[in-house]
Amino acid sequence: NAGVTQTPKFQVLKTGQSMTLQCAQDMNHEYMSWYRQDPGMGLRLIHYSVGAGITDQGEVPNGYNVSRSTTEDFPLRLLSAAPSQTSVYFCASSYAGFGYTFGSGTRLTVV
Amino acid sequence: QQPVQSPQAVILREGEDAVINCSSSKALYSVHWYRQKHGEAPVFLMILLKGGEQKGHDKISASFNEKKQQSSLYLTASQLSYSGTYFCGTSPNTGNQFYFGTGTSLTVIP
Repeated sequence: NAGVTQTPKFQVLKTGQSMTLQCAQDMNHEYMSWYRQDPGMGLRLIHYSVGAGITDQGEVPNGYNVSRSTTEDFPLRLLSAAPSQTSVYFCASSYAGFGYTFGSGTRLTVV
Repeated sequence: QQPVQSPQAVILREGEDAVINCSSSKALYSVHWYRQKHGEAPVFLMILLKGGEQKGHDKISASFNEKKQQSSLYLTASQLSYSGTYFCGTSPNTGNQFYFGTGTSLTVIP
C-alpha cells in the first residue's frame, strides 16, 4: 500500500518552462488537493478535486492547471514557470470527513 | 480564508504543557490538526466536527467551538517527539477543501 506518491522529488526549471508534477494515490480517496508551502506562509491550497472529472480553484490557482481523469491521479501543471513558483509542493488525499494523507512533496526551484 | 494560529513559536521543557490556538473569521464546519517535522510531510493528528466536541490522542487533545470559530490543541506532559510545526486546517463546509494556518513551531528541550 503506497499511499500518496509524488514525482519528482526535486526539480529545477528555467523561467518560462512548463512541467507536470505527478500525484497518485491507491486508497480510492475521492478528495485530492495540491498545496504549496513557503517559509512563514504555511500551506496554501492551489487546486482541489472532489472526484474524477471535478476540480476547483483554491487560494492561489494562478499559473497552475489541474485535471482529474481518474480517481487515482491528480497531476499539477505549471504552464510557464516563474521564480515566484519556487516552493515545496504537497499533494494530499482523503475520504470525506477524514484527515488528509500527504505525499512526500516535490521541491521545485525556478531559476 | 486562512485561519490564524497563535503562538507562532513556543519552547517547552520535557513534561511541560502547551496550548496552540486556531481561529477563523468565517464559520467553520470542521477543523483538522497536523504535525510536520522538518523536511517531512504533514501528518494528520485529529479531526473535529461541529458540535464543540473534544478529542484526545494519547496526551494530545483538541477542542472546537464553532460559535467562536476557534479550535485549540492541548499538549500535556510534552515529550521530545512532540517537536515540530503544528498546523490547523479549517473547512467552512462538508467538503474537504481545507485552508491551513501559518503554523506553530513547537520545540521540546530536555
